[in-house]
Amino acid sequence: QVHLQESGPGLVRPSETLSLTCSISGASVSSHYWTWIRQSATNGLEWIGRIYPGVTAEYNPSLRSRLSMSVDTSKKQLFLKVNSLTAADTAVYFCAREIASRRLDSWGQGTLVTVSS
Amino acid sequence: DIQMTQSPSSVSASVGDRVIITCRASQNVNNWLAWYQQKAGQAPKLLIYAAASLENGVPSRFSGRGFGTDFTLTINSLQPEDFATYFCQQANSVPLTFGGGTRVELK
Repeated sequence: QVHLQESGPGLVRPSETLSLTCSISGASVSSHYWTWIRQSATNGLEWIGRIYPGVTAEYNPSLRSRLSMSVDTSKKQLFLKVNSLTAADTAVYFCAREIASRRLDSWGQGTLVTVSS
Repeated sequence: DIQMTQSPSSVSASVGDRVIITCRASQNVNNWLAWYQQKAGQAPKLLIYAAASLENGVPSRFSGRGFGTDFTLTINSLQPEDFATYFCQQANSVPLTFGGGTRVELK
């Protein structure tokens, strides 16, 4: 059974950089797209981007200039960095797996990130 | 970006009712449309993919249909565990985008 678990700081100050990790078990990291999505009351569900190991990541154009995604297949971990944070980045951040037929079949439980001084 | 518009934003229903939720895309997404169920404090759960394919383990009272820009999710014989929020999502082009959600509430 696939299990994804996000981890991160919880509270980040404005203008700083957010670093999140998604730990994966029960699945081959090398064989799928891995996606980051966030959810806020203001913006609903927002696709941040996705990465396929060994291939360039694809980012939401609205966030591209502030994003970096990477994956460590040996540790079975995904990483997301978002810089120049503002209050608008406050959200629950999810990682998810994308499989055949372009479906997001497995999700982590999400981690709440609050941007505040 | 492709805009996804769901309606209604909320619906009140009773156990045993049939509920139909619609999703409209601002441009053609072919059949690359998924539906998710989300309960409070949980991640979205995949119900339907490719517009009409039922995800493994999802009860058959859930069904989807549509192609192009207009899609529906139908819940037949609503069960107590179905009271939740439902989202559509297009997977035709990046960035993937989601509808605003439909809350199914107890009447």
